[in-house]
Amino acid sequence: GNSVTQMEGPVTLSEEAFLTINCTYTATGYPSLFWYVQYPGEGLQLLLKATKADDKGSNKGFEATYRKETTSFHLEKGSVQVSDSAVYFCALLTANKLVFGAGTILRVKS
Amino acid sequence: DAMVIQNPRYQVTQFGKPVTLSCSQTLNHNVMYWYQQKSSQAPKLLFHYYDKDFNNEADTPDNFQSRRPNTSFCFLDIRSPGLGDAAMYLCATSPLRAGLYNEQFFGPGTRLTVL
Repeated sequence: GNSVTQMEGPVTLSEEAFLTINCTYTATGYPSLFWYVQYPGEGLQLLLKATKADDKGSNKGFEATYRKETTSFHLEKGSVQVSDSAVYFCALLTANKLVFGAGTILRVKS
Repeated sequence: DAMVIQNPRYQVTQFGKPVTLSCSQTLNHNVMYWYQQKSSQAPKLLFHYYDKDFNNEADTPDNFQSRRPNTSFCFLDIRSPGLGDAAMYLCATSPLRAGLYNEQFFGPGTRLTVL
């Protein structure tokens, strides 16, 4: 079946540190891939997306590259801020539905 | 700004008392979704509408119903809320491009408390 696996959190970093949140997927065909971010008490916001192999999605300093050979879509940011503290969900779109990973809590300390 | 709006943001109901949550969109998207999200978990899809076609998930309890009277509005009805239904309820919309579903845009959610 289709599934998404994310690294477990919480991930705790100091401000200006480098961030990587790993995401791998299992799917039939070639799904579109997404990262969503959820701030406390809010809905999910689309952070970035990639629709085909080798596409790089980027937004607000975050990047992720669709790697078909490793079935991965790792999220990276060069320098995190306290305001990046949130829950990050990796997701794939297949058969008209989003399949989410479990989410990774990111905490950034000043 | 085009957006997905959910009202109310916080809803308190009593055990067994019917409650309705509402969602509206100004994006003119064909597809609207309802998700349930419990604390520290990923959202769980309850059902979705493709225009007026209703698509229920196999494991969605009968206690949950939905209505979509027009393109802009969609309602989630919980007929007899139990304590286990306390959660954040998220509405999302999605455009169709070339007949395919695309990324989903979420509203801010309604936090439901059941007393």
